[in-house]
Amino acid sequence: GAVVSQHPSRVICKSGTSVKIECRSLDFQATTMFWYRQFPKQSLMLMATSNEGSKATYEQGVEKDKFLINHASLTLSTLTVTSAHPEDSSFYICSAWVANEKLFFGSGTQLSVL
Amino acid sequence: TQLLEQSPQFLSIQEGENLTVYCNSSSVFSSLQWYRQEPGEGPVLLVTVVTGGEVKKLKRLTFQFGDARKDSSLHITAAQPGDTGLYLCAPVSGSARQLTFGSGTQLTVLP
Repeated sequence: GAVVSQHPSRVICKSGTSVKIECRSLDFQATTMFWYRQFPKQSLMLMATSNEGSKATYEQGVEKDKFLINHASLTLSTLTVTSAHPEDSSFYICSAWVANEKLFFGSGTQLSVL
Repeated sequence: TQLLEQSPQFLSIQEGENLTVYCNSSSVFSSLQWYRQEPGEGPVLLVTVVTGGEVKKLKRLTFQFGDARKDSSLHITAAQPGDTGLYLCAPVSGSARQLTFGSGTQLTVLP
């Protein structure tokens, strides 16, 4: 069945480095994917809508130069956290609609910036 | 900012008790979804409600969409420890059909 695969599941990095998170749609094509961020004991906050072949749409307050999104194919969207700092530590998760009926989520990436 | 306010924010109950979680907004939605999320995992869809006044049942879970399509509730009967998780409501909106989640209710069911 349709699955959204997210990698890596956990990453620890030093402050100032960049981290890339991949989100792949398996067995289906996704022209649009969504990226969320979640802090402990809080809800998911929509960061941006990733559009295949065009620029991502960012939510208010999300720095597009900080969180670079690339959606170069119908099955892959990437989120790069540039020059990560401890305050960027969070759980990042992607999602995509399947047949406009059900939203599938990746398993998430726990980012820890030291 | 959250378009949807969920209450209560935290709920800890004993196994076998009943509970209701609320999702409220001042906006009207064409449809609304409920999800449950466990730690370290992505949310899993429980139900989609579309029609005002609609009631859907999923085993011990009963979902209701308000008549004006501005609010929704989730009632769990005889809660079990396996029901523990973060419950999230989200309206489907926008041309891209993006989900903006409510503030969430963290439910803990103690054995």
